[in-house]
Amino acid sequence: EVQLVESGGGLVQPGGSLRLSCPASKLSLSAYCMHWFRQAPGKGLVWVSNICRGGAVTHYADSVKGRFTISIDNARNTFYLEMNGLKAEDTAFYYCATYGSGKFGPWGQGTSVTVSS
Amino acid sequence: DIVMTQSPDSLAVSLGGRATINCKSGQSLLSRSDNSDCLTWYQQKPGQPPKLLIYWASIRDSGVPDRFSASGSGTDFTLTISSVQAEDVAVYYCQQYYSPPYTFGQGTKVEIK
Repeated sequence: EVQLVESGGGLVQPGGSLRLSCPASKLSLSAYCMHWFRQAPGKGLVWVSNICRGGAVTHYADSVKGRFTISIDNARNTFYLEMNGLKAEDTAFYYCATYGSGKFGPWGQGTSVTVSS
Repeated sequence: DIVMTQSPDSLAVSLGGRATINCKSGQSLLSRSDNSDCLTWYQQKPGQPPKLLIYWASIRDSGVPDRFSASGSGTDFTLTISSVQAEDVAVYYCQQYYSPPYTFGQGTKVEIK
């Protein structure tokens, strides 16, 4: 069974940085588009960023553009979300997910990011 | 950005009853290249990641009970739970993947009456 397991979340001060990781087992990431989503406490789902074609194509939500960077390490079969200049409003559970043939999934269980002083 | 609007925000249904959730997009989600509508439906229970129910607007994902069905095209879509069970209590989201940013509806909370 394909599994995604996010890691790298934690508590960070405003202006700080974190790098989230999403390794994939039993799945070659180079064949898919990979996405990051987030969900603030008690709020809805929000798409954050995606990366396709082995890293050749990336997109970002306006709210994170210029601060977050998505990347992929095909050798490690892992993709990342580098988050800089973190703000309180970035506090959320972050999920990674694959996309292929119209389907988003599997999704990871999520990793919590808290931005607070 | 494509705005996705769900209705209602919440609904209470009797066990065995029918639940209908609507999702309206700000522009057509019909992909000419795929000849399909780029819309997906998720179920999310507390403390869990979203679970894919429906993709390409009407295709049930493997393992999803057949009491879940979806329809619609263009800008108007519907998710129906034909006979609501206790385990269907959750928040349901629609999401468009026609173009980035891949926006979600605000969610519809389904409860048992």
